[in-house]
Amino acid sequence: QVQLQESGPGLVEPSETLSLTCTVSGGSFSSIIYYWAWIRQSPGKGLEWIGSVFYSGTASYNPSLRSRVTMSIDTSKKQFSLHLSSVTAADTAIYYCVREVELMYYFDFWGQGTRVAVSS
Amino acid sequence: SSELTQDPAVSVALGQTVRLTCQGDSLRNNYASWYQLRPGQAPLLVMYGENNRPSGIPDRFSGSASGNTASLTITGAQAEDDADYYCHSRDSRDNQYLFGTGTQVTVL
Repeated sequence: QVQLQESGPGLVEPSETLSLTCTVSGGSFSSIIYYWAWIRQSPGKGLEWIGSVFYSGTASYNPSLRSRVTMSIDTSKKQFSLHLSSVTAADTAIYYCVREVELMYYFDFWGQGTRVAVSS
Repeated sequence: SSELTQDPAVSVALGQTVRLTCQGDSLRNNYASWYQLRPGQAPLLVMYGENNRPSGIPDRFSGSASGNTASLTITGAQAEDDADYYCHSRDSRDNQYLFGTGTQVTVL
């Protein structure tokens, strides 16, 4: 069974960079059929796709966040990371790391999620 | 950009049937997938592709699609189906991933 676990600070100051890491256990991490994604849910709002990264490091991002987002991957550690710069209160959300099935475009395994608040 | 529209809330009596819908232009060219969100739990994929249930999802969940609308039907709703449900699809025009506005399902 594939398991994903988010880690990172629960509080980030405005204008700083939010950094989260996802550690994956079980399953194949470097498979060509999976992407690794970040999705968030802001308080009282719906889900928002942030971006996805392939094991090679190739990434695609939500156009609305592209200027502030960087995703990276470390296959030796079975980890991938999210960096979101210049955060504001609008970035306060639950952040989920997720496995995405390539070409079918669905997300089959999700982490529990980690709450991140942006506040001074 | 495209959007996926869902009814904000529906209620269903225990054991009865409820159909959730998701509308958007992206669905004309891509299948929807559906996710169940319950407080304190990891979101759960319940349907993908034309009508595919992941392992462990009860067969009371079924999916369908027509034109710009995707549907998720729960036949014989159970108390544990009380949750928020989100649809999702890819927009082929700009490779953006879209989530629906979400439907809160209350099992009475």
